[in-house]
Amino acid sequence: DTGVSQDPRHKITKRGQNVTFRCDPISEHNRLYWYRQTLGQGPEFLTYFQNEAQLEKSRLLSDRFSAERPKGSFSTLEIQRTEQGDSAMYLCASSKAVVNYGYTFGSGTRLTVV
Amino acid sequence: RKEVEQDPGPFNVPEGATVAFNCTYSNSASQSFFWYRQDCRKEPKLLMSVYSSGNEDGRFTAQLNRASQYISLLIRDSKLSDSATYLCVVNRPGGGADGLTFGKGTHLIIQP
Repeated sequence: DTGVSQDPRHKITKRGQNVTFRCDPISEHNRLYWYRQTLGQGPEFLTYFQNEAQLEKSRLLSDRFSAERPKGSFSTLEIQRTEQGDSAMYLCASSKAVVNYGYTFGSGTRLTVV
Repeated sequence: RKEVEQDPGPFNVPEGATVAFNCTYSNSASQSFFWYRQDCRKEPKLLMSVYSSGNEDGRFTAQLNRASQYISLLIRDSKLSDSATYLCVVNRPGGGADGLTFGKGTHLIIQP
């Protein structure tokens, strides 16, 4: 499979718990992005890596959120002390340095906080 | 003004008809434009890039109007399988990620 992989596909967690999601980008893509999408909305940018460097973070990314891409390959997104408002689809995408070709998204991780 | 604005619809269109949607963007310095398609509970998938001269891919035609800051998508001979949400995507110059900003999407329903 040469696409973007995300794990898990679904996650149900209790409020206050920590969760971690993983994204494996397309191997030759050096840029990796995390987006969040809620019902009826388009994807909203969270953060972006070029190789292992986290170059931009949205104001949507509160202190409870942290993302890493330690070796410039896969990335993890952790949410601490989850809140019901964190319930959303978390999408990972990757691209080559020249973004004119757009992004390729993974299937997403659907988080439900109960 | 929002960065990217689309009519959310839904657009209910009979099979075989032609349908068009527009999208407006606020940053006149934007250089990259795309249409993505998103099926229910699936990830967005790139439908087509939008070039200054306009471009066509089968039944789909995309146009860019820089003066009025809008892009359009035309679907001819619509099929049932075209039912989806169509997301307008524009880059945000100066954004570290090339700042691709997504609209909320236009929901299209093709009716038999």
